[in-house]
Amino acid sequence: QVQLVESGGGVVQPGGSLRLSCAASGFTFSKFGMHWVRQAPGRGLEWVAFIWYDGSSKYYADSVKGRCTISRDNSQNTLYLQINSLRPEDTAVYYCASRTSNYYMAVWGTGTTVTVSS
Amino acid sequence: EIVLTQSPGTLSLSPGERATLSCRASQSVSSSYLAWFQQKPGQAPRLLIYGASSRATGIPDRFSGSGSGTDFSLTISRLEPEDFAVYYCQQYGSSPPLTFGGGTKVEIK
Repeated sequence: QVQLVESGGGVVQPGGSLRLSCAASGFTFSKFGMHWVRQAPGRGLEWVAFIWYDGSSKYYADSVKGRCTISRDNSQNTLYLQINSLRPEDTAVYYCASRTSNYYMAVWGTGTTVTVSS
Repeated sequence: EIVLTQSPGTLSLSPGERATLSCRASQSVSSSYLAWFQQKPGQAPRLLIYGASSRATGIPDRFSGSGSGTDFSLTISRLEPEDFAVYYCQQYGSSPPLTFGGGTKVEIK
């Protein structure tokens, strides 16, 4: 079945960096755009970044622009999110989600938790 | 950027009752690119509705979506115990940014 599994979260000090991964299975990963969405503790959902199916275009939320890089390796069916200059307000559960050909987010992973704290 | 405002913030109802959740956009949502998600504590969001009114695969028919332009709603015809959760609307399209509403919590009265 279609599955997305995130990893790479953890506790990091302010100013540090992390690379999150999202392993995809059960569908043709290379045909679909992919999103990252995050949720701070007790808060709502915030879209973070999107990458086209072939990696040719990337989009970022203003809150992470210049600090985040989304990328993908279609040969490994894996999506990535590099986050630099981490701030306490980046503390959240980070989800990856696949986009269908009709643009909506169909499948979500279970999330990986990032905690930025000294 | 389109801002989505959900109301009410919390809805207190009993099982078997009807729930109506509202999502208002700051500008027209093109082609009804409006989705609804359900989220339970400790779980990832689950897609319920896309295209404003199309149910996702496996979603019971007690869930229905309607609306266009700037006003959308999600209706749960008869609440089941497993329906008590937080619901988010989201606008999407061919190009980001995407935005989510602040959520409506449906709680047991």
